[in-house]
Amino acid sequence: NAGVMQNPRHLVRRRGQEARLRCSPMKGHSHVYWYRQLPEEGLKFMVYLQKENIIDESGMPKERFSAEFPKEGPSILRIQQVVRGDSAAYFCASSPGTLLVEKLFFGSGTQLSVL
Amino acid sequence: KQEVTQIPAALSVPEGENLVLNCSFTDSAIYNLQWFRQDPGKGLTSLLLIQSSQREQTSGRLNASLDKSSGRSTLYIAASQPGDSATYLCAVRNNAGNMLTFGGGTRLMVKP
Repeated sequence: NAGVMQNPRHLVRRRGQEARLRCSPMKGHSHVYWYRQLPEEGLKFMVYLQKENIIDESGMPKERFSAEFPKEGPSILRIQQVVRGDSAAYFCASSPGTLLVEKLFFGSGTQLSVL
Repeated sequence: KQEVTQIPAALSVPEGENLVLNCSFTDSAIYNLQWFRQDPGKGLTSLLLIQSSQREQTSGRLNASLDKSSGRSTLYIAASQPGDSATYLCAVRNNAGNMLTFGGGTRLMVKP
């Protein structure tokens, strides 16, 4: 049973380009969370999705950032017109359901570097 | 708004020592608390999950305690080894939401 898979592991973009980060949850998990870790800072919640629904996007910047989790395929975190301040590690986590008692399982992250 | 603090930010100990990492949180209305390990350039590995109704959890050389009323948790590592060197993160899940609020982490170095 593969864990949470994120790709790419490393992504380099120039300012103004678009970045697409992918996350495939663990088998049987229908809930996905995205977190961002800025250099020398802790992890900050961005968005929580279930299949085809955004449940909570309170941590996501209002502009340039969007997330989706389609019925088929991975969850995508999309950053348009990237700026240097977007450089960070982006982690995805998944859980099987809605019970708050459940553990979150994290992927290895995507390191985004904006030149 | 929940805030999670971890002390110390960094810790260096010789191999074999027992050590304690501290985590405090401001809002005691938590659903559970989870300790993670993060290795450089890698993702997070869940170590222990304590439900709000529990006092402690143990896994091998690790023991995590929870005092919900005082807003504190400790992670005890017995007989530390160089392989324990990593950043340890504490995260709480509040009753009100689904997200985890993380502390800033404790960077542990165990010297041979």
